Amino acid sequence: LAKTTQPISMDSYEGQEVNITCSHNNIATNDYITWYQQFPSQGPRFIIQGYKTKVTNEVASLFIPADRKSSTLSLPRVSLSDTAVYYCLVGLGGGSTLGRLYFGRGTQLTVWP
Amino acid sequence: DAGVIQSPRHEVTEMGQEVTLRCKPISGHNSLFWYRQTMMRGLELLIYFNNNVPIDDSGMPEDRFSAKMPNASFSTLKIQPSEPRDSAVYFCASSSRRRPMEQYFGPGTRLTVT
Repeated sequence: LAKTTQPISMDSYEGQEVNITCSHNNIATNDYITWYQQFPSQGPRFIIQGYKTKVTNEVASLFIPADRKSSTLSLPRVSLSDTAVYYCLVGLGGGSTLGRLYFGRGTQLTVWP
Repeated sequence: DAGVIQSPRHEVTEMGQEVTLRCKPISGHNSLFWYRQTMMRGLELLIYFNNNVPIDDSGMPEDRFSAKMPNASFSTLKIQPSEPRDSAVYFCASSSRRRPMEQYFGPGTRLTVT
């Protein structure tokens, strides 16, 4: 099981770019990297998923180096509403077999005015 | 699409009582997950189903917990008897075969056992 390691907390100010790095040294060949966001009193929400290099959507970018032992979630120009817990997950992204997922403790991002 | 539906949203019960949590996954999704979240332990996967079949229940705390998925549109998580340490928010999530890690979570059931 490929567990992940993330910083417990991060602080930023409105308008800044935030990069949250996740370590997953035991990632398997078939594993994808997925990030979720969770606001208080809500369930986690899918943000982005990738396998290698860079993935970008309307919310964030995900950078994955060649060895895939880490990944970085990049949030451009954060606002107060981006204050949330961010989880990095590693597991099978497709196919008929689904591995057990481990959410970990996540990173509490706090954005200040 | 209504998203994942969970009921009840809040449940307060006394120790020793049976508690049943319900979940309706997104139509067309073939995987269903039950999670529990507490401040102490974070978000834990209890059990997940693939095509209505339980695949991994190693996260179920003990025999007091059981989960069923009688059809593709309904699942239950039952705790009998309940204990105060079961107090938590219980989330249900579902995902499609093509993107199993893109899980859609319900609003959760906040369970308080006194």
